[in-house]
Amino acid sequence: QKEVEQDPGPLSVPEGAIVSLNCTYSNSAFQYFMWYRQYSRKGPELLMYTYSSGNKEDGRFTAQVDKSSKYISLFIRDSQPSDSATYLCAPFTGGGNKLTFGTGTQLKVEL
Amino acid sequence: DAGVIQSPRHEVTEMGQEVTLRCKPISGHNSLFWYRQTMMRGLELLIYFNNNVPIDDSGMPEDRFSAKMPNASFSTLKIQPSEPRDSAVYFCASSPTWGQGGTGELFFGEGSRLTVL
Repeated sequence: QKEVEQDPGPLSVPEGAIVSLNCTYSNSAFQYFMWYRQYSRKGPELLMYTYSSGNKEDGRFTAQVDKSSKYISLFIRDSQPSDSATYLCAPFTGGGNKLTFGTGTQLKVEL
Repeated sequence: DAGVIQSPRHEVTEMGQEVTLRCKPISGHNSLFWYRQTMMRGLELLIYFNNNVPIDDSGMPEDRFSAKMPNASFSTLKIQPSEPRDSAVYFCASSPTWGQGGTGELFFGEGSRLTVL
């Protein structure tokens, strides 16, 4: 079993839709749950993160973690064409350990 | 502030040739990472350095790959000899807080796209 699993998509939605992106993980030691966004032909950039379980909201983006089921979600409200990118989840134990990325979900928001 | 700078952005070479990828991290960042990204395997960590010292190179695929960080502002990833299966995008990333209670934020360069024919 991979340490982090993510549906690769592609996921295509109309502008204004609510988008749900998900990951599952196997390592119960993960404490930080990062979401990176990667535009085409660019490097990933940190979008947001949560610590432990619960929700965190940042504008149109909400990150949600359920540690009991080892399930991570990113919701995008009122999606825009500029949200078209690949979204990578990256759970992390903290400290000097390595950061493991999911394979990413490609999202396209259409006009 | 300049971000992480990688060169070359694109490299096309023939099997058996030596390839050298270069990275300049963000000034003041004490940790540097080399990742490889392919469609099949996603982003894979190859090696990372803390204060110019290699900490974990378990992701380096084989002896054909080597990485150095001679000073805080420069790192290289070398593949010798290159093979078609090495074709990928290679990313360098740096972090100011790795191993110091940091949250896992990495700052990535724009990548070096390698094609080995």
